[in-house]
Amino acid sequence: DSGVTQTPKHLITATGQRVTLRCSPRSGDLSVYWYQQSLDQGLQFLIQYYNGEERAKGNILERFSAQQFPDLHSELNLSSLELGDSALYFCASSVLGQSIYNEQFFGPGTRLTVL
Amino acid sequence: GDSVTQMEGPVTLSEEAFLTINCTYTATGYPSLFWYVQYPGEGLQLLLKATKADDKGSNKGFEATYRKETTSFHLEKGSVQVSDSAVYFCALSVPNTDKLIFGTGTRLQVFP
Repeated sequence: DSGVTQTPKHLITATGQRVTLRCSPRSGDLSVYWYQQSLDQGLQFLIQYYNGEERAKGNILERFSAQQFPDLHSELNLSSLELGDSALYFCASSVLGQSIYNEQFFGPGTRLTVL
Repeated sequence: GDSVTQMEGPVTLSEEAFLTINCTYTATGYPSLFWYVQYPGEGLQLLLKATKADDKGSNKGFEATYRKETTSFHLEKGSVQVSDSAVYFCALSVPNTDKLIFGTGTRLQVFP
């Protein structure tokens, strides 16, 4: 158990809908990262928040957004869902930013299925 | 841009066999290199890391050496167990950023 929790574990929805994925980082970790894991694109970095502020952006679509709240939990919002958004979404956290001294700890993931 | 290339899987081995999973990278600057492991139904766990050239990371019998001259970070284990069956990801940390770039993953299946 990494100490990172993600809810829900599974989510099934329809095209065009909007969903929210939730992540609680390990106690004391200030940074939260979101990743998408799909069969065709592998594991891709989406976005990072550090202490409530956006720190780095990766291959995140404009239909997706995220935020980190004062209690440091984070939410990833996916809207106007398409079939291709079906994937496993991971959250990770680290004490500070990613560096040689701070590893990222991953949650168990949320499996999103868009029908 | 920065990237990681891993050998395609699955890699299928018998218990106690020797394991090598190849990983090469392209990066500007001097990245740190990592191997993560993903067991079925779980998130990724850091297996080992190396932060500079010629460093050897090791954990749970797995080893990898940071080879700058060949831009490689191959994962090895002398004697695999059934419990090592998982997906292994090679990754690099982009210098001066917080990004991790992952390879596509290599599935290892170990049979008794």
